[in-house]
Amino acid sequence: GENVEQHPSTLSVQEGDSAVIKCTYSDSASNYFPWYKQELGKGPQLIIDIRSNVGEKKDQRIAVTLNKTAKHFSLHITETQPEDSAVYFCAATPSGYSTLTFGKGTMLLVSP
Amino acid sequence: DADVTQTPRNRITKTGKRIMLECSQTKGHDRMYWYRQDPGLGLRLIYYSFDVKDINKGEISDGYSVSRQAQAKFSLSLESAIPNQTALYFCATSDNGGRGVLGEQFFGPGTRLTVL
Repeated sequence: GENVEQHPSTLSVQEGDSAVIKCTYSDSASNYFPWYKQELGKGPQLIIDIRSNVGEKKDQRIAVTLNKTAKHFSLHITETQPEDSAVYFCAATPSGYSTLTFGKGTMLLVSP
Repeated sequence: DADVTQTPRNRITKTGKRIMLECSQTKGHDRMYWYRQDPGLGLRLIYYSFDVKDINKGEISDGYSVSRQAQAKFSLSLESAIPNQTALYFCATSDNGGRGVLGEQFFGPGTRLTVL
């Protein structure tokens, strides 16, 4: 089955800095890569996703890049704000599968 | 009103007790999931269901069972709770994105379960 590794487990940045979270996956057949944000006391919420037919996708201050050859994908947050503080999960799934395999999560802390 | 609700939100129980966690959704989705979250271990899939007659085991189904009572309701049971089942449990739903396409999952607020 799919295995997703996520790094770092914790990340502290100053407000306004950029943050990068990286994930690697094992199954070369994976073609869907979502990122979820979990705020304190809440369930995870999808913030951005990418499919294997594109290499990069942006939505305002967040972007995801995908390198299928190296089997890794990354979340980039620019101009971080305190409200970006949360746990972020990456996930992957092979084509035809209907379940996600999640990484272990990254706790991002943005200090004012 | 929340689209995905979970009851109870918090529960403390004792070893050996039977406990049921309930999930309801108003999104009209066919697919429902139960996950467990432990610190440092991320989200792990326990069971999932694609319609009322469909139940599938996930990565960590041992010690758990589920019931899909209706399209909108999916319950998780611990027949005889043990302390290492202490965790945060999430229900999620998604629509049928079509053949080979996985859609967004919508998570409930979670149930914090403590087994003493």
